[in-house]
Amino acid sequence: GAGVSQSPSNKVTEKGKDVELRCDPISGHTALYWYRQSLGQGLEFLIYFQGNSAPDKSGLPSDRFSAERTGGSVSTLTIQRTQQEDSAVYLCASSLEVAGARQYFGPGTRLTVT
Amino acid sequence: EDQVTQSPEALRLQEGESSSLNCSYTVSGLRGLFWYRQDPGKGPEFLFTLYSAGEEKEKERLKATLTKKESFLHITAPKPEDSATYLCAVQAFNTDKLIFGTGTRLQVFP
Repeated sequence: GAGVSQSPSNKVTEKGKDVELRCDPISGHTALYWYRQSLGQGLEFLIYFQGNSAPDKSGLPSDRFSAERTGGSVSTLTIQRTQQEDSAVYLCASSLEVAGARQYFGPGTRLTVT
Repeated sequence: EDQVTQSPEALRLQEGESSSLNCSYTVSGLRGLFWYRQDPGKGPEFLFTLYSAGEEKEKERLKATLTKKESFLHITAPKPEDSATYLCAVQAFNTDKLIFGTGTRLQVFP
């Protein structure tokens, strides 16, 4: 079956511009997560969705970052006024809403801010 | 604070040379410990979940074990196709997010 998909796969943007990153989770997965992977660092949690609500936004690094999920499916991560330190790979994952369930990751979006 | 430390950062092995990767963790109540494999340019691929101390799981040349403070990923007679970055993550009882270590980059040479 289809896995988690993300678009675009690569995004180059100028400092100060806004960007939107999209995630399509596995069908039927009610939980959705966004992580960020910077060079030489581990995956860093950003935000978690249960259905359309976000009970945990603790990892969003600043108010320039926001995310939404509609219809319990597609999610969009928006970064406003991008900075060079936002350059990273943004990974989306989805899982069943079961305690300890494995998270299935998408291929990621590589964001480069010039 | 929940934390995961992996060692070594990098490991070079000859094909057939068995070894172990370490994942030390501190967490406020462990719900699960996860091992993932990540190839360059791709998202992490799930390998194992361990839930309680003493638990072991195997898959082909890989075996994961868990104690109250650390987990080991044992690689027996590795092949070049086992070359990848191996990531360890923990999930606490009071949250759904995963806390990841920085990974061990494994290279296996023929």
